Amino acid sequence: KAGVTQTPRYLIKTRGQQVTLSCSPISGHRSVSWYQQTPGQGLQFLFEYFSETQRNKGNFPGRFSGRQFSNSRSEMNVSTLELGDSALYLCASSPGQGEQFFGPGTRLTVL
Amino acid sequence: TQLLEQSPQFLSIQEGENLTVYCNSSSVFSSLQWYRQEPGEGPVLLVTVVTGGEVKKLKRLTFQFGDARKDSSLHITAAQPGDTGLYLCAGETGFQKLVFGTGTRLLVSP
Repeated sequence: KAGVTQTPRYLIKTRGQQVTLSCSPISGHRSVSWYQQTPGQGLQFLFEYFSETQRNKGNFPGRFSGRQFSNSRSEMNVSTLELGDSALYLCASSPGQGEQFFGPGTRLTVL
Repeated sequence: TQLLEQSPQFLSIQEGENLTVYCNSSSVFSSLQWYRQEPGEGPVLLVTVVTGGEVKKLKRLTFQFGDARKDSSLHITAAQPGDTGLYLCAGETGFQKLVFGTGTRLLVSP
């Protein structure tokens, strides 16, 4: 079974731009969660989608948004990028509850 | 805000030594998970503990959940270089929402 895939793996953007990251969950998994990992704040929960509906949301500004498609693939979008948005963005998939399987992440650098 | 504090933050030991990592919170969690993350990869789940007082063993790793389900520990016996990595505890607080600990970076030298 293929694992969670995230694209792109690396991305460089400048302040003010917007970015879209993609996550393909494990086949059959309907839940996708997104996390931000930084050296200062560690791993923080962004949001979770299940069957195209957002079920849970972390404490991030509205510039961070996401969506899930009918095939369970998910995207997250960050608008008006700030330097502090530089981070490793991880997505995790699960059947809906229980163990979450993480992808390798997308490393975003904002200049 | 639910916080999970891990200690120590960094640990550098020689192969063959034993170590314990602690994960503490003032909040009660329905379950607590331990992950290991290596550079360039996402966290990989090691174990989930659910019942207060529960002890789980995974080869040389022993995990314990506190009686009040607020704290946990990870003990590694006879550490090996392959154990090197970032160890993270995480508590589940809602639909697939994990609150992660501050992390313990372990380096095991040959």
